[in-house]
Amino acid sequence: SQQGEEDPQALSIQEGENATMNCSYKTSINNLQWYRQNSGRGLVHLILIRSNEREKHSGRLRVTLDTSKKSSSLLITASRAADTASYFCSYGQNFVFGPGTRLSVLP
Amino acid sequence: SQTIHQWPATLVQPVGSPLSLECTVEGTSNPNLYWYRQAAGRGLQLLFYSVGIGQISSEVPQNLSASRPQDRQFILSSKKLLLSDSGFYLCAWSVGVTYEQYFGPGTRLTVT
Repeated sequence: SQQGEEDPQALSIQEGENATMNCSYKTSINNLQWYRQNSGRGLVHLILIRSNEREKHSGRLRVTLDTSKKSSSLLITASRAADTASYFCSYGQNFVFGPGTRLSVLP
Repeated sequence: SQTIHQWPATLVQPVGSPLSLECTVEGTSNPNLYWYRQAAGRGLQLLFYSVGIGQISSEVPQNLSASRPQDRQFILSSKKLLLSDSGFYLCAWSVGVTYEQYFGPGTRLTVT
């Protein structure tokens, strides 16, 4: 199976803290993407990082990519209750999605 | 701007009944289209994708089929639903195979 893994599976933090989620993948990639899904809704694209990039920022989001380790991380700084959602990484030609990390940000 | 529609939002169907879920995209031409299924609390499983009218690729053997009768219309069907077909079905589009995807709001299907 090409499916990668996100860890942790679930993460609970206090508002204002930083949240870090990791994604490991198994194939060579052109890019890797992170998505957010609020409960019962569709996925929303957050950020895309290309295979020749090592780090990318978007607002409070920071994504890193280590192609030698086939891994990526998503850091959300100064988290808010509204960040509560599931986060997925996606990669590969057929958009393989990992099982996701469920983030809960407690007020 | 581009918009993706899915309907219905929720559906409860008995085992053995047929299924038709529709997805349409506005504001773009010749999109790649995708159908995913998501089990409760799980990741997404790619079911079908299409790079053009009448071109359908299936990722997993299953009780479902897909069709693309028009450039921006993607339909997911079944002749006879199984209990295991229950789930959250998501349609998505992308410009190309290496670009970000844009998802519809999803259809929650419960087969009873």
